Amino acid sequence: GAVVSQHPSWVICKSGTSVKIECRSLDFQATTMFWYRQFPKQSLMLMATSNEGSKATYEQGVEKDKFLINHASLTLSTLTVTSAHPEDSSFYICSARRGLDGGEQYFGPGTRLTVT
Amino acid sequence: GQQVMQIPQYQHVQEGEDFTTYCNSSTTLSNIQWYKQRPGGHPVFLIQLVKSGEVKKQKRLTFQFGEAKKNSSLHITATQTTDVGTYFCAVYNAGNNRKLIWGLGTSLAVNP
Repeated sequence: GAVVSQHPSWVICKSGTSVKIECRSLDFQATTMFWYRQFPKQSLMLMATSNEGSKATYEQGVEKDKFLINHASLTLSTLTVTSAHPEDSSFYICSARRGLDGGEQYFGPGTRLTVT
Repeated sequence: GQQVMQIPQYQHVQEGEDFTTYCNSSTTLSNIQWYKQRPGGHPVFLIQLVKSGEVKKQKRLTFQFGEAKKNSSLHITATQTTDVGTYFCAVYNAGNNRKLIWGLGTSLAVNP
């Protein structure tokens, strides 16, 4: 149990276009979902936390108008990278947690975004 | 804000040797979690420690939580090539966002 899927697994887009990444908890209801960004050989950088039905909470330095997060249901959250630029190229990973407090996070397989 | 220091950053071992990674905090932790990320993969939850002085084992992996709940370690006995990856500790911040604060990770390479 506790499987999280993420789609697409990789995407190449042109500069200026938008890309949507989906994160789904397949066999449990995720009260909270997290979006991370990871650069090669580095730790996870939390971008935002989203709770179902409410606005996402963004970390300092993350542009909310550029990285749009929608947590429409207890099993689906989406991240849209708007007007992507080459510096947005990265590995984006979502995770889901059952409860509001504590507990482990279940990670999706990640999305490799390349902006040309 | 709360921070957790993880050392070493990298470790190369010969297969069969032991490996340990450490996490330290200046503040008392409510809990600590450990994750493993294989190269090209995503983090996978290993364990959560909550109690002072707690020791948990998973086959060749031993996890410890310090008595003061300010440090933790992950020890692998007799490493295998399947242990290759980056090991992260993460601590739970019960404040805003109820998010995990991540260590920088220890990247383990095992020479066969």
